[in-house]
Amino acid sequence: SSELTQDPAVSVALGQTVRITCQGDSLRSYYASWYQQKPGQAPVLVIYGKNNRPSGIPDRFSGSSSGNTASLTITGAQAEDEADYYCNSRDSSGNHPFGGGTKLTVL
Amino acid sequence: QVQLVQSGAEVKKPGASVKVSCKASGYTFTGYYMHWVRQAPGQGLEWMGWINPNSGGTNYAQKFQGRVTMTRDTSISTAYMELSRLRSDDTAVYYCAREGITMIDRDLTGDQDWFDPWGQGTLVTVSS
Repeated sequence: SSELTQDPAVSVALGQTVRITCQGDSLRSYYASWYQQKPGQAPVLVIYGKNNRPSGIPDRFSGSSSGNTASLTITGAQAEDEADYYCNSRDSSGNHPFGGGTKLTVL
Repeated sequence: QVQLVQSGAEVKKPGASVKVSCKASGYTFTGYYMHWVRQAPGQGLEWMGWINPNSGGTNYAQKFQGRVTMTRDTSISTAYMELSRLRSDDTAVYYCAREGITMIDRDLTGDQDWFDPWGQGTLVTVSS
C-alpha cells in the first residue's frame, strides 16, 4: 500500500517534547520527508532523509525511522511550531503520497 | 537563489481546463524532477504527479490519470500542469515543488527524495 497514516491532531505544552508519527509500508524501503505548513502559506521542508535539516530549520526538529513508522520529534516546542505537519515518501511505483497531516497545538 | 514562481489565480467553469505555470530560476532546470501538489480548502496535501524536465517523462497519480497533463518548456525553465474536465471539487491551491536532490543523485541513493523549494501556490476556483 502507498498510503501514509498520521494522527489528525497532537498537542504539546510549551517547552516540552512532542513526537508526530507517520505509518506506511513504503517507509520500510524509503525515507520520509516532513513539511510544516502554517495557515495561508506554502509548505516548508523541515526534515529529509535519515535525519537531515535544511538550512534555517532549528535543531529542535529531528527525524527517525523504525520499520514502517517514521517520526518527527520537536524537542522543546515553541509557540511558533504550532502548524500542520505532513509526511511524504516515495513508493515502489514512483508515486509520492502524503500523509493526512497532523495539526500540532502548542499549549 | 533557487525559486519557483507560479502563475496567478484562475476562475473556471465546470468542464473547462486550467493550465498553471511554474517558472524556475537559480538552478539547472533539467537536473531535478518537478512535482505538482494540490490542497483543497481546509484539506491536506495531495500529490498529483511529477515530470522529468530533461526527458519530458511523467508519472501521474492514478486519481488524475486521463485528466492531468504535465509539460515543460526548457527554453524558459518553466513547468506546466493542465487539468481538464474541471469539477467543483478541483477548487484548490495548486503548488509546484522541486525535488531537493538531483536526478543523478536520486538514482544513486535510491531511497530518499524530498520537495524543496515550493512555489507560492496558485488558487484555482471552479464555479458556475
